[in-house]
Amino acid sequence: DVKVTQSSRYLVKRTGEKVFLECVQDMDHENMFWYRQDPGLGLRLIYFSYDVKMKEKGDIPEGYSVSREKKERFSLILESASTNQTSMYLCASRKIPGEQYFGPGTRLTVT
Amino acid sequence: KQEVTQIPAALSVPEGENLVLNCSFTDSAIYNLQWFRQDPGKGLTSLLLIQSSQREQTSGRLNASLDKSSGRSTLYIAASQPGDSATYLCAVIWGGSEKLVFGKGMKLTVNP
Repeated sequence: DVKVTQSSRYLVKRTGEKVFLECVQDMDHENMFWYRQDPGLGLRLIYFSYDVKMKEKGDIPEGYSVSREKKERFSLILESASTNQTSMYLCASRKIPGEQYFGPGTRLTVT
Repeated sequence: KQEVTQIPAALSVPEGENLVLNCSFTDSAIYNLQWFRQDPGKGLTSLLLIQSSQREQTSGRLNASLDKSSGRSTLYIAASQPGDSATYLCAVIWGGSEKLVFGKGMKLTVNP
């Protein structure tokens, strides 16, 4: 079974803190993705990566950065957390041309 | 613009009914289409993937069909159960893209 894991299920941070969200997949997938999900807005793509050290902006990259130093690990970084970044964050991976698999999500609250 | 639409946004049915969930998409040049399920507060679980060359896929009580020419996919759930209650999302990848485009989802409630 494909497994995508995320470092935390729940996270509470203060405004201005630097936040790291980690995602690991164990199936040698090329593509990895970070989304955020908000009520009424659906899933929105923040960044994705199609190879080690490669990244592309998604639909809402502002206020975020990413890092992919190893194929199995994709990190999302909030350089200076703000209250409007309170959301559910979902990581996903996919082996071309197959199914996309999601992690369990991290519910981040910024106070 | 390439978009995915799911109507209605919510559906409530009694247990035992056979259900059809609808997904429509603009632009028939899709690469593949995937159906997901999401329980409250959880991540998405992949249900079925249909490649552009396929007409349908089946898994247990689930059957998904694809009609590219009309820009539609349906997810058929046989003999619905309360445990099927969840939000169901449809997502499409178009040729030349790496990114899934998601519909807003349909919240299904199956009442005992």
